[in-house]
Amino acid sequence: DAKTTQPNSMESNEEEPVHLPCNHSTISGTDYIHWYRQLPSQGPEYVIHGLTSNVNNRMASLAIAEDRKSSTLILHRATLRDAAVYYCILRDVGTYKYIFGTGTRLKVLA
Amino acid sequence: NAGVTQTPKFRVLKTGQSMTLLCAQDMNHEYMYWYRQDPGMGLRLIHYSVGEGTTAKGEVPDGYNVSRLKKQNFLLGLESAAPSQTSVYFCASLRGQGAPWENIQYFGAGTRLSVL
Repeated sequence: DAKTTQPNSMESNEEEPVHLPCNHSTISGTDYIHWYRQLPSQGPEYVIHGLTSNVNNRMASLAIAEDRKSSTLILHRATLRDAAVYYCILRDVGTYKYIFGTGTRLKVLA
Repeated sequence: NAGVTQTPKFRVLKTGQSMTLLCAQDMNHEYMYWYRQDPGMGLRLIHYSVGEGTTAKGEVPDGYNVSRLKKQNFLLGLESAAPSQTSVYFCASLRGQGAPWENIQYFGAGTRLSVL
């Protein structure tokens, strides 16, 4: 199973953009890049996912490097409610098996 | 629409006792998953199922058994609980069909288990 590497923690000021990086150097051609987040005392929730092209939705944007060995989750304006652990996960389209890493704990400062 | 429901929410066991955690989903999803999350750690996959009557091992399957007799339910069993199994257990489901953007995991609220 391909692995991802993320910083343990990051800080951001409220109302500023946040860029959360993820390295996945062993990604295969069929792996989708998924991002989930886990708010305190809750189960993870889906944020965004993509394969090759950059993706946008109401929650965030996902920028994928051309060689697909890294990606960045972008929160355009961080709010206090965005404080959570963010997980970058690779999913093989054939297995639907997800392997979570330890994620990045995002702290948002008021 | 309830989504993914886990029962119970909390449980305390003594070492050696057995119990079953129930996960129920009402979205007609094919895939279901059981994860455990230890304090300060990420989620680790215990077992998963790709459809009714099927199960497969994840990263940390030892000490657990699972069954998927009905499509909507995925049971996680601990035959002889150990203190090392103290954790928060999360269940998730995924559609398993259709377009990639439809295939995201939906999680339950978790079961907090303490084994003394």
